[in-house]
Amino acid sequence: GQQLNQSPQSMFIQEGEDVSMNCTSSSIFNTWLWYKQDPGEGPVLLIALYKAGELTSNGRLTAQFGITRKDSFLNISASIPSDVGIYFCAGQLNSGYALNFGKGTSLLVTP
Amino acid sequence: EAGVVQSPRYKIIEKKQPVAFWCNPISGHNTLYWYLQNLGQGPELLIRYENEEAVDDSQLPKDRFSAERLKGVDSTLKIQPAELGDSAVYLCASSWTSGGEQYFGPGTRLTVT
Repeated sequence: GQQLNQSPQSMFIQEGEDVSMNCTSSSIFNTWLWYKQDPGEGPVLLIALYKAGELTSNGRLTAQFGITRKDSFLNISASIPSDVGIYFCAGQLNSGYALNFGKGTSLLVTP
Repeated sequence: EAGVVQSPRYKIIEKKQPVAFWCNPISGHNTLYWYLQNLGQGPELLIRYENEEAVDDSQLPKDRFSAERLKGVDSTLKIQPAELGDSAVYLCASSWTSGGEQYFGPGTRLTVT
């Protein structure tokens, strides 16, 4: 499967700051998803995007499905210490198919 | 509702030994996935089942890896013999066949010495 290009690789920010990360692909996907993974746990779904151009929010998280269907971004506003973890983007060609993941963005938040 | 259950959570074996991982998906989820996650990487698909049928096993190293989902519910992934490079986290996920998001289990962390 194809691995997506996710950036930045890591971020070290202060509590209260906003965060932005993005993901690009050379191929088109019909679904983009963002997951968060804590140490020793499996990825947990944060946001799913199903339509090009779609902008979706989940609390302090906002994600967009790029109009070209080859990219997506995730914003976290007013970060808090529990936002610490690794954030993965994933693209899916069709429903039920395997997910193609990025390498992750490691987020550290200092109080 | 219970999530995806995996066992064991951790396994340490010597190279050339066999090992098996077990997964019980969310009740009613027809599609089950096994992913491999190496350190510092995102998960990569090993095999996807729809009910008891393996519909995508193109990334499964069939010389040493095997999987089964005999009754279309829980699944077992086996490695025989294990190699040092197999040290990784093995994740199981499930979803509705007709669509919907994939939900992951906590994974099994395998260390081969």
